[in-house]
Amino acid sequence: AQRVTQPEKLLSVFKGAPVELKCNYSYSGSPELFWYVQYSRQRLQLLLRHISRESIKGFTADLNKGETSFHLKKPFAQEEDSAMYYCALSVDSNYQLIWGAGTKLIIKP
Amino acid sequence: DVKVTQSSRYLVKRTGEKVFLECVQDMDHENMFWYRQDPGLGLRLIYFSYDVKMKEKGDIPEGYSVSREKKERFSLILESASTNQTSMYLCASSLFQDRDYEQYFGPGTRLTVT
Repeated sequence: AQRVTQPEKLLSVFKGAPVELKCNYSYSGSPELFWYVQYSRQRLQLLLRHISRESIKGFTADLNKGETSFHLKKPFAQEEDSAMYYCALSVDSNYQLIWGAGTKLIIKP
Repeated sequence: DVKVTQSSRYLVKRTGEKVFLECVQDMDHENMFWYRQDPGLGLRLIYFSYDVKMKEKGDIPEGYSVSREKKERFSLILESASTNQTSMYLCASSLFQDRDYEQYFGPGTRLTVT
């Protein structure tokens, strides 16, 4: 069965420290993976998708098919990065996204 | 800019009441979704619709129904609200294209059932 696992419910780091939010997936086909973010009092929105291979707000994520992972990374955390982050998987012939449980990121000043 | 709007930000209902949550999108998207968002559980799909009058059950459809009479509007109905349906409800829409489709979300409706 398809599954997305975000092992950390809460991640707290100091401003300026590196950040890595973990995401592992279970899927036998060719995955399409996304990171969505929800800032306080704002709507959930797309942060980045693996297919575009771009960096958004200093965040990057690399798809590792061998480890079935799509970890989100940022070298120097900023206070405005504090938010809820969700990893999501799109599977073949389906409109749906399969969501991880989310990781709350807190950046301490 | 894609805009997805939801009829209420906050709603308080009594057990047993019939509850309607409305969602409207203005970008002519084919797909629309209703999710529950609960702490520690992430987003769980209740129902989705890929066309007018078409609907598919998601992971947790029990206790809910939906209606899509027009392309831009997708309604979630709680036939008889119960306290375990207290949650944040999110509506989303997306294009019917390749799998690389972004879902656009509404602001959410926080429903409390007492």
